[in-house]
Amino acid sequence: QVQLVQSGAEVKKPGASVKVSCKTSGYTFSNFYIHWVRQAPGQGLEWLGILNPSGGQTNYAQRFQGRVTMSRDTSTSTVYMELSSLRSGDTAVYYCARDIMGLDRAEDYWGQGTLVTVSS
Amino acid sequence: DIQMTQSPPSLSASIGDRVTITCRASQSINVYLNWYQQKPGKAPKLLIYSASRLQSGVPSRFSGRGSGTDFTLTISSLQPEDSATYYCQQSDTTRTFGQGTRVEIK
Repeated sequence: QVQLVQSGAEVKKPGASVKVSCKTSGYTFSNFYIHWVRQAPGQGLEWLGILNPSGGQTNYAQRFQGRVTMSRDTSTSTVYMELSSLRSGDTAVYYCARDIMGLDRAEDYWGQGTLVTVSS
Repeated sequence: DIQMTQSPPSLSASIGDRVTITCRASQSINVYLNWYQQKPGKAPKLLIYSASRLQSGVPSRFSGRGSGTDFTLTISSLQPEDSATYYCQQSDTTRTFGQGTRVEIK
């Protein structure tokens, strides 16, 4: 069955970087784009960007341009999201999610989420 | 950026009630509108995609309608397990989510 399993919770200081992993299984890794979405405590959902695992191409949300980097390791079917210059407002649960692909555009499988806490 | 406006922010309804949530886009998004259900501490779950297509395994009491800028999610007969926050999402241009609608059971 399709699974996306994310790395564990992180605590970082302001100005640091964090790299979250999302290990996929149960499907052909290169055939499905991966999105990253975050949710601050008690808040709504915010899209960070998308990665094409086949060629590594990315498309980032405008407000995260220059701070976010998405990458992948095809040998382990794992995708990564790195966010730099962290500030308190980046405290959130970060999710990876698989794109449904084809003519439809939605995310059908999600990771369990990774809590990133930014605190001095 | 495309803005998504959901209403109401919250609602309380009884078991068996018909519940409707509305989502409006700031510009036409064709039918690229999805609905997710999120329960506390859990990842979002896809309910409806492309405005009206029911995701596999989702109960048929959930339905979606709309095109262009105005969309609705309807729960035909509210069940206890439907207590959750519901988000619309446009997927016409990258992704944007609505603010969410919290559904509570009376």
